[in-house]
Amino acid sequence: GAGVSQSPSNKVTEKGKDVELRCDPISGHTALYWYRQSLGQGLEFLIYFQGNSAPDKSGLPSDRFSAERTGGSVSTLTIQRTQQEDSAVYLCASSLVLSSGGAKQYFGPGTRLTVT
Amino acid sequence: AQKITQTQPGMFVQEKEAVTLDCTYDTSDQSYGLFWYKQPSSGEMIFLIYQGSYDEQNATEGRYSLNFQKARKSANLVISASQLGDSAMYFCAMREGNTGNQFYFGTGTSLTVIP
Repeated sequence: GAGVSQSPSNKVTEKGKDVELRCDPISGHTALYWYRQSLGQGLEFLIYFQGNSAPDKSGLPSDRFSAERTGGSVSTLTIQRTQQEDSAVYLCASSLVLSSGGAKQYFGPGTRLTVT
Repeated sequence: AQKITQTQPGMFVQEKEAVTLDCTYDTSDQSYGLFWYKQPSSGEMIFLIYQGSYDEQNATEGRYSLNFQKARKSANLVISASQLGDSAMYFCAMREGNTGNQFYFGTGTSLTVIP
């Protein structure tokens, strides 16, 4: 079946502009995660959505970052007034939520954001 | 304190040899899950193996096995019979609690398989 998809795959923007990144999770996956990965670094957690619960926004680095998940499916990550340090690959992942806790995450291909 | 620690930024292994990638974790939860992911140069994150904290047996998936030492809080990945295609970044991750929100990722280990 279809995996997690993200768009655009690449985005170049000027400093100060707003950008929107989109994630389409796997159908039926109730959990959705956004991560940021800077060049050569590990994954930095940004935000987590689970069903209709309030999202866990504890990883958002500043109030310029926000995310929505409409209808429990598609999610949009918005970065306002972009800065050069926002340049990174933004990864989305989705998963089931199992009582065993063993549900793995399926990752999308990422959006490479470059702020000039 | 770091939730996940990977102390080997880079590793080299001869083709067909086995290699162990280290991972230690920090949690006070009794229930947690441990995961390993592979990230080739293409950037995709590929799930490799999972170990639950209550699993008594070490997890195995083909050439991958997880050496789970609960008392030492370590979850090392063992890759047997290395192949050139194994060259990639490898990330250890942990999910706390049965339905913990966050996955905590380590900083990764870059593995290079030498022909």
